[in-house]
Order: sequence, then structure tokens, then C-alpha cells
Amino acid sequence: SQTIHQWPATLVQPVGSPLSLECTVEGTSNPNLYWYRQAAGRGLQLLFYSVGIGQISSEVPQNLSASRPQDRQFILSSKKLLLSDSGFYLCAWTGTGKSNYGYTFGSGTRLTVV
Amino acid sequence: AQTVTQSQPEMSVQEAETVTLSCTYDTSESDYYLFWYKQPPSRQMILVIRQEAYKQQNATENRFSVNFQKAAKSFSLKISDSQLGDAAMYFCAYRSAVYTNAGKSTFGDGTTLTVKP
Repeated sequence: SQTIHQWPATLVQPVGSPLSLECTVEGTSNPNLYWYRQAAGRGLQLLFYSVGIGQISSEVPQNLSASRPQDRQFILSSKKLLLSDSGFYLCAWTGTGKSNYGYTFGSGTRLTVV
Repeated sequence: AQTVTQSQPEMSVQEAETVTLSCTYDTSESDYYLFWYKQPPSRQMILVIRQEAYKQQNATENRFSVNFQKAAKSFSLKISDSQLGDAAMYFCAYRSAVYTNAGKSTFGDGTTLTVKP
């Protein structure tokens, strides 16, 4: 069966420090991968998505970047965090060609920038 | 661009009763998919139910069912026999069926459902 792992679960980082959040998927190949951010009590904002290794599309210009070094690995990064980067980050995947399938989400990372 | 609107920030229901959460969306596309996700206090997002726009029959998953009105661009979620474990934030989501959209989904702002014992 397919599983998705996301870590860390919680992170407190000072302003100006780097960031690396990681997401890996097991039990499938060539998934579509997504990074979303959820502000407190709000909906999900799509940050990045990827349809293959090295293929990254950005939805919102910001202080963050994403990479996909392996088929089932998706990384969200920042060189210098801002206070506004605080939030709940969710990684998700879905199978290619299966648009009618919903997302499977990771357990999320709560990021607090202080 | 597509938009998804959930006009009820908060709803409450008595245990064992029925509640309906509303969702409307805006799109110019004819083929798409709609979803409801549940986010309990643990914040783990879980898919509740999905609907293909080309299907007229409303989707049903146990106590969860939808009322899909394509012309009105409405997609409501009905929860029957509400249970305490149904307490969560519920998100409506839209996904285009266009392949080049890479399965991206647009989410509403959510409805927080409280279940009263």
C-alpha cells in the first residue's frame, strides 16, 4: 500500500535561518507531488507541485523553493526564513493520470518562525 | 482561475442528527472533479468523498453523501447520524480534469463542524 512520510512534525526556527522540509512517498512510482501551506483556521494554498524528477512548478512567488531529487522525494526549502513563513505545511501526492483520485496527505509540519 | 467558496465558517449539529455543509465553485470548465476532505484536531487531512462532474449520480460513502448541482455549481456534503468523531474542519476542493493542470486542487477556506453530545 502507498504511504507518505513528512518530517519534521514541528519546527521552531529563528528569522533568517534556513529551512528544509522533506516528504517521501512509498508504494508507488512517478507520483504527482504537492506542497501546500495552511494559515491558522484557513484553507490550503498551493505553493509548489511536481510531475517528475527535477520538474518543479511554483504557484506563488515567495521566499521558498522546492526540489525533487528523486522520484518519490519532495523537499521544501528556504535560505532565509521570514516571520511570514510561519504556518502549517502539508505535502500531498496523487497518481498520474488518475485525476479522479483525491490527494493523500502527509501528517504536516507546523513551522513557527521566531 | 477556479475558486471554491464555503460560506459557513462554523456549523454545529447534535449527535445522531443530520447536517449539511455548503460549497460553491466557479469554473468555465465542463470536466472536473470535486472532493470533500476532513481535517480533525490532529490536522491529518483525510479524503471523505469525491464526485466526477460527468456523473449525474450523487456520490455516497456510508454516512456521507453529496448533493451535486452542476448547473448551479454547488457541491454540498450531508453527514447523517452525526458522531462525535465527525467533529473536524471540512474542506471542499476542486480539481480540473485537464491533464496539463497536473492534478492541482483549489480548496475552500473550510467549515468547522462541532458535534454536540
